[in-house]
Amino acid sequence: GNSVTQMEGPVTLSEEAFLTINCTYTATGYPSLFWYVQYPGEGLQLLLKATKADDKGSNKGFEATYRKETTSFHLEKGSVQVSDSAVYFCALSAYGNKLVFGAGTILRVKS
Amino acid sequence: DTAVSQTPKYLVTQMGNDKSIKCEQNLGHDTMYWYKQDSKKFLKIMFSYNNKELIINETVPNRFSPKSPDKAHLNLHINSLELGDSAVYFCASQRGALENEQFFGPGTRLTVL
Repeated sequence: GNSVTQMEGPVTLSEEAFLTINCTYTATGYPSLFWYVQYPGEGLQLLLKATKADDKGSNKGFEATYRKETTSFHLEKGSVQVSDSAVYFCALSAYGNKLVFGAGTILRVKS
Repeated sequence: DTAVSQTPKYLVTQMGNDKSIKCEQNLGHDTMYWYKQDSKKFLKIMFSYNNKELIINETVPNRFSPKSPDKAHLNLHINSLELGDSAVYFCASQRGALENEQFFGPGTRLTVL
């Protein structure tokens, strides 16, 4: 079946540090890939997505590239801020099926 | 305007009680979901409705019963609450069953004492 594996947290960084959160997936066919973010006390919201191989999704300084050869969709940001502290979920959807979420990675950014 | 809303935001109750959580979306979407998020932030899908019809029913105890009176509403009723039901429950909506992006409500934190 389809599955998503993302790096365990929590990830603790200082402000302005570089962020990478790893995400790999297993899926039949060609899924769409997503990163969702959950700020404290809120629901999830879509951060970025990519629908085919080599697509790069980007939003709010975050980027992720759909790598079919390594079945990966790693999230990166060049300089994190305290306001980026949240839980980040990698997810996939294949052929309009339900979203399959990874376990989530807690990010804490210190000033 | 709030796109996906849930009530109540917090719910504290005793074991054995029956409670309901309501969800409404004003996005005109056809598909709605209920998720359960545990204390480790793990998200588990529970149910999905498309145009008031149940399309996903994961392995959930039958004490949980979703009800969709119309496609803008999906409520969750829980009978005989247990300690293990304590979690945050999220409602989400999606334009159609074949679309990808889901819009989440703010969550309902259920605490069973």
